[in-house]
Amino acid sequence: GDSVTQMEGPVTLSEEACLTINCTYTATGYPSLFWYVQYPGEGLQLLLKATKADDKGSNKGFEATYRKETTSFHLEKGSVQVSDSAVYFCALEESTLTFGKGTMLLVSP
Amino acid sequence: KAGVTQTPRYLIKTRGQQVTLSCSPISGHRSVSWYQQTPGQGLQFLFEYFSETQRNKGNFPGRFSGRQFSNSRSEMNVSTLELGDSALYLCASRAGRNYGYTFGSGTRLTVV
Repeated sequence: GDSVTQMEGPVTLSEEACLTINCTYTATGYPSLFWYVQYPGEGLQLLLKATKADDKGSNKGFEATYRKETTSFHLEKGSVQVSDSAVYFCALEESTLTFGKGTMLLVSP
Repeated sequence: KAGVTQTPRYLIKTRGQQVTLSCSPISGHRSVSWYQQTPGQGLQFLFEYFSETQRNKGNFPGRFSGRQFSNSRSEMNVSTLELGDSALYLCASRAGRNYGYTFGSGTRLTVV
């Protein structure tokens, strides 16, 4: 079945550092890929998405490229802010959304 | 534009009781999905409804059920509650298959 594997956290960075959160997936077909973010006490917010190979999703300085050859969808940001501290979920969709376990990001001033 | 609204935000129930959670999707969204979030299992899909029909169901026991009304509002019900049902229950809606889901803030259920 479908599955998503993302790096375990927490990831601890200083403000303005570069961020990469790795995500790889297993799927039977050609899924759409997503990154969601969850702030404390809240639901998930869609951060970005890509629907086919080589698509790049981007939003709020975050970006991720759908790599079919490596079945990956790594999340990157060039300069993180304290306000980016949250839990990040990679997900794929074929018939339903399948999520990774989540990666907590902690950014210190 | 109002987001996805889930009620109540918090619930405390006793083992053996039943509970009903409510979700009002964004206006115009006909697809509603439910997820259970726990620290151990992460986010697990419960079911999806579209135009009052259950389209997909996750791997949960029959104690978990749901429905969708003609105005797209959805409810999920858990009967004979167990301690392990303690979780954050998230509802999500979307306009169609080519759109991402918008999630509500969730209902935090604690079973004691």
